[in-house]
Amino acid sequence: EMQLVESGGGLVHPGGSLRLSCVASGFTFSNSWMNWVRQAPGKGLEWVASVKEDGSEKNYMDSVKGRFTISRDNGENSLYLHMNTLTDEDTAIYYCARGVALDYWGQGTLVTVSS
Amino acid sequence: DFVMTQSPDSLAVSLGERATINCKSSQSVLYSSNNKNYLAWYQQKPGQPPKLLIYWASTRESGVPERFSGSGSETDFTLTISSLQAEDVAVYYCQQYYTSLYTFGQGTKLEIK
Repeated sequence: EMQLVESGGGLVHPGGSLRLSCVASGFTFSNSWMNWVRQAPGKGLEWVASVKEDGSEKNYMDSVKGRFTISRDNGENSLYLHMNTLTDEDTAIYYCARGVALDYWGQGTLVTVSS
Repeated sequence: DFVMTQSPDSLAVSLGERATINCKSSQSVLYSSNNKNYLAWYQQKPGQPPKLLIYWASTRESGVPERFSGSGSETDFTLTISSLQAEDVAVYYCQQYYTSLYTFGQGTKLEIK
């Protein structure tokens, strides 16, 4: 059974940092593009970042470029999102999702940015 | 920038009736070299992550009921539920993956009339 399990969310002050993790199982992680997608409370979906199978290509939405870094460890079947200089607009559930058409999603981890 | 605009924002349909959701892209998502539209549809129920329904604009994901279908090309797309069931109450999103910076529509909330 394919599974994606996110962790690392929590409450952080504005300007702070956080690292999210996503552990994959049940499929060949190293053969899959991986993404982070977020959803602010009561709002729609917003793609955040993606990373190619081998980590050689990374893409970011404009508002997180320079603040967020996506990475992966294929040996550990893990995806990461390092988030710096957080603002209240980054408050959201963060999902990791597989693929280009996003065919499998984790349950998400909640990030709350508040003083 | 690719902007995806869905219509309507919300929709109420009677059980057993047809539901139609539209998605318009600010630019074409048709890749001429393979004649594929880089457009997907998702369903999200309350408290759950999204679920992929349709990709390549019209290919149903494995396990998705046949009452769900996708159509359209280039900039104009439609998700149709042929006979609405109670379990179809959800928010539906379209998404383009034509560019490396993916974008979603704002979502359409589907309810029972």
